[in-house]
Amino acid sequence: DTGVSQNPRHKITKRGQNVTFRCDPISEHNRLYWYRQTLGQGPEFLTYFQNEAQLEKSRLLSDRFSAERPKGSFSTLEIQRTEQGDSAMYLCASSLAETGELFFGEGSRLTVL
Amino acid sequence: RKEVEQDPGPFNVPEGATVAFNCTYSNSASQSFFWYRQDCRKEPKLLMSVYSSGNEDGRFTAQLNRASQYISLLIRDSKLSDSATYLCVVKSHGNKLVFGAGTILRVKS
Repeated sequence: DTGVSQNPRHKITKRGQNVTFRCDPISEHNRLYWYRQTLGQGPEFLTYFQNEAQLEKSRLLSDRFSAERPKGSFSTLEIQRTEQGDSAMYLCASSLAETGELFFGEGSRLTVL
Repeated sequence: RKEVEQDPGPFNVPEGATVAFNCTYSNSASQSFFWYRQDCRKEPKLLMSVYSSGNEDGRFTAQLNRASQYISLLIRDSKLSDSATYLCVVKSHGNKLVFGAGTILRVKS
């Protein structure tokens, strides 16, 4: 399968714990995006990378959230000291700079108890 | 005010009907516009881009009105398989794509 891959698909954690999600984009895509989606809402932008550079980060993203894309390939999104309000689907997408079409992964669903 | 606003619906229509969705955006400097489709519990997928001159893809027609800052999607001859959430997407400053909350379409037999 050459699509965007995310893992884990589901994560249940207790409040205060740290969680990390991984995204493997389509191999030739140089842009990688993280979005968060809650029920009844559209995807909410969190951050994006062009190659290994993090070019934009949402003002809504607190200091507990950090994303990396160390070699310009896969990316990780870490949430520290999780809160119940962090419960959501975390979507990763990749694209080619030239076309701009986003290809999404199936998402990582986080439940914070 | 949200950057991209859509009527959440749901729009309940019979098979064969024509249905239209509108979307408004607040950033007049927005350059690119798209409609994505999201099936229940699935990831969003690109339905079509929206060009200034309007564009058509089979039963789907997208229009852009820059003066009024709205985008529309028209679906003709609705099929059961068209049932989904339709997300209006605007490329804001930089390369950030901003999604609306989506419009739910339910096509009934």
